[in-house]
Amino acid sequence: GAGVSQSPSNKVTEKGKDVELRCDPISGHTALYWYRQSLGQGLEFLIYFQGNSAPDKSGLPSDRFSAERTGGSVSTLTIQRTQQEDSAVYLCASSQGQGANYGYTFGSGTRLTVV
Amino acid sequence: AQSVTQLGSHVSVSEGALVLLRCNYSSSVPPYLFWYVQYPNQGLQLLLKYTSAATLVKGINGFEAEFKKSETSFHLTKPSAHMSDAAEYFCAVSERAGGSYIPTFGRGTSLIVHP
Repeated sequence: GAGVSQSPSNKVTEKGKDVELRCDPISGHTALYWYRQSLGQGLEFLIYFQGNSAPDKSGLPSDRFSAERTGGSVSTLTIQRTQQEDSAVYLCASSQGQGANYGYTFGSGTRLTVV
Repeated sequence: AQSVTQLGSHVSVSEGALVLLRCNYSSSVPPYLFWYVQYPNQGLQLLLKYTSAATLVKGINGFEAEFKKSETSFHLTKPSAHMSDAAEYFCAVSERAGGSYIPTFGRGTSLIVHP
């Protein structure tokens, strides 16, 4: 695709429910990143994929969070048993390779609200 | 380890005035540095990046930034602010950490432009 696509753009869920957030990176981009953006907190790194593998999961805040990437393309971030503190904007970015020279292209994000 | 500090969560300028957004970084190896802009309800858009070439980097929309190693700074400037520049600005640093180049972002600076 022309850009990084994220869906849904908005999600309201009840506390305790599971949610899945989807990221469709730019075609051919091998690296994919998930970030969480909370009000006034900047961007918090969650997980990074190179191809289908995740060499760095250090940012996942708890075992309720998981992510996968299939076919070196689409990635899904899953949050189980959602809590109110999970409310945030979840941003996905992709890059052509694992190098800063390539830059990072961001999607528009998924705004998650847990009520 | 790497980190970014953006001084001032809000910066207010008059239209036509100089824009200066401050960013200081910490990095154990030569860094790559970025400025991103985020308009309401959108993802992050790359303004410019420093990847060890020229220390004065020119970006889109008339913005530029200068890498100063002695001051560990990468401040963003624009000679004359436009109303359309009102947005959130993020500084980011990345370095080779296990080959992943995962960028670390600052907390952001909201630029307010008055008529």
